[in-house]
Amino acid sequence: AQSVTQPDIHITVSEGASLELRCNYSYGATPYLFWYVQSPGQGLQLLLKYFSGDTLVQGIKGFEAEFKRSQSSFNLRKPSVHWSDAAEYFCAVGVGAGKSTFGDGTTLTVKP
Amino acid sequence: EAGVAQSPRYKIIEKRQSVAFWCNPISGHATLYWYQQILGQGPKLLIQFQNNGVVDDSQLPKDRFSAERLKGVDSTLKIQPAKLEDSAVYLCASSLGGQGPLSTDTQYFGPGTRLTVL
Repeated sequence: AQSVTQPDIHITVSEGASLELRCNYSYGATPYLFWYVQSPGQGLQLLLKYFSGDTLVQGIKGFEAEFKRSQSSFNLRKPSVHWSDAAEYFCAVGVGAGKSTFGDGTTLTVKP
Repeated sequence: EAGVAQSPRYKIIEKRQSVAFWCNPISGHATLYWYQQILGQGPKLLIQFQNNGVVDDSQLPKDRFSAERLKGVDSTLKIQPAKLEDSAVYLCASSLGGQGPLSTDTQYFGPGTRLTVL
């Protein structure tokens, strides 16, 4: 069965600092991988997705993620965090027909 | 383009009562999903519709949960009777669909309905 692990429940970074959120997955085939962001009271918004090809994926809001098959990882990065990036971030594995298995999320706090 | 609409946004009920949630997907989206998101966890798929047919309801607690998507557009999710452990946010999502089991469709999520069962 497929699964997604986000090892960090909560991360705090200073505004302007770089960010990396970790995601590890377990899936028997070539995975479809996603990162979503959820702000308080909002639905999930897709940041980026990986299906095939270039393992470095660019997304919206200045985020990028790198697929590393050997490490079963799909970590999310941003070079300089803004206060508005404070939210909860979810990694997900696509398991066909569009549906996804989600990790339990990482809450990002941004210090001024 | 209008997004996925859900109502109500909040609902408080007592255990053993019934409750229903409504979802209106993005126009033209054939696939509709209901997810349950318990506090501190990621969303868990409850049921997936392709047009008005059920594709996957393997994680739907069918003794108390039901869902329908009449006419392949709007959908309702019902819980009857509710239990304390049903307290969660219920998310509806939609995607274009129609690409079969290897679909790479992007899912678009609604704002969710926060259910509190007392």
